[in-house]
Amino acid sequence: EIVMTQSPATLSVSPGERATLSCRASQTITSSSLAWYQQKLGQAPRLLIYGASTRATGIPVRFSGSGSGTEFALTISSLQSEDVAVYYCQQYNYWPLTFGGGTKVDIK
Amino acid sequence: QLQLQESGPGLVKPSETLSLTCTVSGDSISSSSYCWGWVRRPPGKGLEWIGNIFDSGATYYNPSLKSRVTISADRSKSQFSLTLNSVSAADTAVYYCVRELRSHPLHYMDVWGKGTTVTVSS
Repeated sequence: EIVMTQSPATLSVSPGERATLSCRASQTITSSSLAWYQQKLGQAPRLLIYGASTRATGIPVRFSGSGSGTEFALTISSLQSEDVAVYYCQQYNYWPLTFGGGTKVDIK
Repeated sequence: QLQLQESGPGLVKPSETLSLTCTVSGDSISSSSYCWGWVRRPPGKGLEWIGNIFDSGATYYNPSLKSRVTISADRSKSQFSLTLNSVSAADTAVYYCVRELRSHPLHYMDVWGKGTTVTVSS
């Protein structure tokens, strides 16, 4: 099983500042088969990014994904209050599909 | 607009069977572009993929649960179901049904149900 490790566990950022979340895979992820999800309190997760860097439909441009191999990142260029949430990465290169443990983003 | 809605008991006794159904509206579950799956989130923990079912009826399960899990589909009702046997407190979680988009090489989840909380307790 591919283990996805996210860091930090919690990230506090001032409004308007940049937030960078990391996701590391225990084996090389080929074909950029990495997705990011946002889960707000009391809501279901929502797809943000697929293919490591492609925004899903309706996702604001302040969200961007990058990386390859075993190291990936999600960047929120200018944090808004509505971005407070837990963010998960997921690899879809190997069975079983696996998620990272999540990074909680809140407002400083 | 595609919607997924989970239904089933919110409380299950230890050693018994957990059964959930997902009703899909706004799309057919027979498309070869997608498969249909289940994900759960135990309290205080991250997301765990449980398994899925393809349009062919083939299924894939997480090896950690494979001996206890069955996913099936009733295409005439646009529903798919999860059965988890011999449950314990460790199976307490919010359960989500999802649509998995068949990408390369595997799948990511592009649509999620709202989730249903299942508690295992006597």
